[in-house]
Amino acid sequence: DTAVSQTPKYLVTQMGNDKSIKCEQNLGHDTMYWYKQDSKKFLKIMFSYNNKELIINETVPNRFSPKSPDKAHLNLHINSLELGDSAVYFCASSQEGQGRKYTEAFFGQGTRLTVV
Amino acid sequence: GDSVTQMEGPVTLSEEAFLTINCTYTATGYPSLFWYVQYPGEGLQLLLKATKADDKGSNKGFEATYRKETTSFHLEKGSVQVSDSAVYFCALPSYTSGTYKYIFGTGTRLKVLA
Repeated sequence: DTAVSQTPKYLVTQMGNDKSIKCEQNLGHDTMYWYKQDSKKFLKIMFSYNNKELIINETVPNRFSPKSPDKAHLNLHINSLELGDSAVYFCASSQEGQGRKYTEAFFGQGTRLTVV
Repeated sequence: GDSVTQMEGPVTLSEEAFLTINCTYTATGYPSLFWYVQYPGEGLQLLLKATKADDKGSNKGFEATYRKETTSFHLEKGSVQVSDSAVYFCALPSYTSGTYKYIFGTGTRLKVLA
């Protein structure tokens, strides 16, 4: 049973289109994230949600809008796609441990977005 | 702010060679430290972790020791296999705005030749 699943795995679309990526976790975690991995494999956080509330928004363009209908789901909607949005997008979830100690994040398989 | 510095790749080794991938960090306090691995075409998987100074994390023959004095968490494996070919990321959870986010190193691509 997949812990963090995201769909689709591949997404090819034209510039200017709007697309969504869905993510679900069955781990019961309170916190979910979106990370972006560029062509050089560099990973950077985009958003973090805790119990459906947006906590971190790392200077991501307004065209990116995350939505969390419940704490098990975090979707990413992208408007007016640009060539530079081509990347692999990873969803992740985690749970704070005792004494605010961080445990580990579990990642989805990634969505490879190609904008043409 | 918190940061992770990881050795640049790619690293190319022959099978059964010894592997070291360097990772140093800057952080407030003593956070847990992680190594993640990304196999071709796949997502990130936790490889190992250490939660406090002098802890040694280990998994699948890989090891890393949390060294507070040198702020390092170098990844090592005594004898690599072709199946170890992947990209390896050192990661540090950074606490900000009431939650954690990972700070990742730049990733080191490892290629193991038969």
